[in-house]
Amino acid sequence: DQQVKQNSPSLSVQEGRISILNCDYTNSMFDYFLWYKKYPAEGPTFLISISSIKDKNEDGRFTVFLNKSAKHLSLHIVPSQPGDSAVYFCAATVSGNTPLVFGKGTRLSVIA
Amino acid sequence: KAGVTQTPRYLIKTRGQQVTLSCSPISGHRSVSWYQQTPGQGLQFLFEYFSETQRNKGNFPGRFSGRQFSNSRSEMNVSTLELGDSALYLCASSLAPTYEQYFGPGTRLTVT
Repeated sequence: DQQVKQNSPSLSVQEGRISILNCDYTNSMFDYFLWYKKYPAEGPTFLISISSIKDKNEDGRFTVFLNKSAKHLSLHIVPSQPGDSAVYFCAATVSGNTPLVFGKGTRLSVIA
Repeated sequence: KAGVTQTPRYLIKTRGQQVTLSCSPISGHRSVSWYQQTPGQGLQFLFEYFSETQRNKGNFPGRFSGRQFSNSRSEMNVSTLELGDSALYLCASSLAPTYEQYFGPGTRLTVT
């Protein structure tokens, strides 16, 4: 049973516009969520995280929103740039004491 | 500071053989986790080591094993290789079993 789901395998966005990547989870015990970005032939790199005590966390062009009642989080990238083209993974853990559970990823293509 | 290094980067093995993959964490990091990434499956957790002790283990058969040395370097071993073991194997390190893991570039294993 997939506990972390990224239902959109791919997303195309024009340069300068907003990219919104979505993630749903089923385990209500998850209380810390992370986003990773992965380029081909490289390992994932940490992007941004959010604790369940918050509903928003911002870092430059990246903002993560958490809706605990809906068990949903989203990553907003504004403005999108061609260098943002990569696979984005959502991950979740229980108080950092359990292994990260990853979604299957969403491939973002930012078109110039 | 040097990042996480994994050796070898690419490996081709035959069914039934065994393989050992190596991971050197970021200097000072004592926690190492291993993941398997296959097309369409995202990252699946294999195991986590901290101070030479296995802290968590994923849902993989006993053919998959690992260990961590006193210098925090880690190895994983897969015995009696099957075609389905073809994947990208990623190692990630962190200061402690915390949330933000730093990934290496991975070892691409192909089983023929």
